[in-house]
Amino acid sequence: EVQLVESGGGLVQPGGSLRLSCAASGFTFSTSTMAWVRQIPGKGLEWVSGISDSSLSKYYRDSVKGRFTVSRDNTKKTLYLQMSSLSAEDTAVYYCARIVENYYNERRFDPWGQGVLVTVSS
Amino acid sequence: EIVLTQSPGTLSLSPGERATLSCMSSRSLVSSYLAWYQQKPGQAPRLLIYGTSNRAAGIPDRFVGGRSGSDFTLTISGLEPEDFAVYYCQYYSGSPMYTFGPGTKVEIK
Repeated sequence: EVQLVESGGGLVQPGGSLRLSCAASGFTFSTSTMAWVRQIPGKGLEWVSGISDSSLSKYYRDSVKGRFTVSRDNTKKTLYLQMSSLSAEDTAVYYCARIVENYYNERRFDPWGQGVLVTVSS
Repeated sequence: EIVLTQSPGTLSLSPGERATLSCMSSRSLVSSYLAWYQQKPGQAPRLLIYGTSNRAAGIPDRFVGGRSGSDFTLTISGLEPEDFAVYYCQYYSGSPMYTFGPGTKVEIK
């Protein structure tokens, strides 16, 4: 079964840091492009970051550039998101997802992890 | 920057009825890059449709994705009780950057 399981969420004070992990199983993680997507409770979805299979390419949305760092360990089949200088605006459920792309350049997020809540509050 | 608009915001229907959801952008979109997801309360999104009209594995054929000009549509023919959820369209806008629409909630009338 293809599965992604996030961990590492919790309550953190403004200005603090947190590292999220996403453990993959059931597919070839080392050849998969991965992403983080977040969702403010009760709101819509927002792409946060992406990383290529070899870690050579990393991408971030503007609002997290310089504060968030995406990485991966292919030997452990794990994706990470290091978050620093956190603010209330970063409070959200964070999902990891595999980005699938085929010969026709049809890209999609599949599957998704169950999500982990990050709450930034004093 | 690509901005996606979904309409209606909420769709109130009865089981068995047809739901038609719309996703639009002011800019021309490439069909290959448009996907649809379903999200139920407390759950992660689930891929339904990719490349505008391709159903993901295990998705029933009552879910149909299409396009008419700049309007991308998700049609659910014969709503089942488990179909009442929020639906998001998503577009790969390059750079790379992925954009989601604000969602359409399909609720029981």
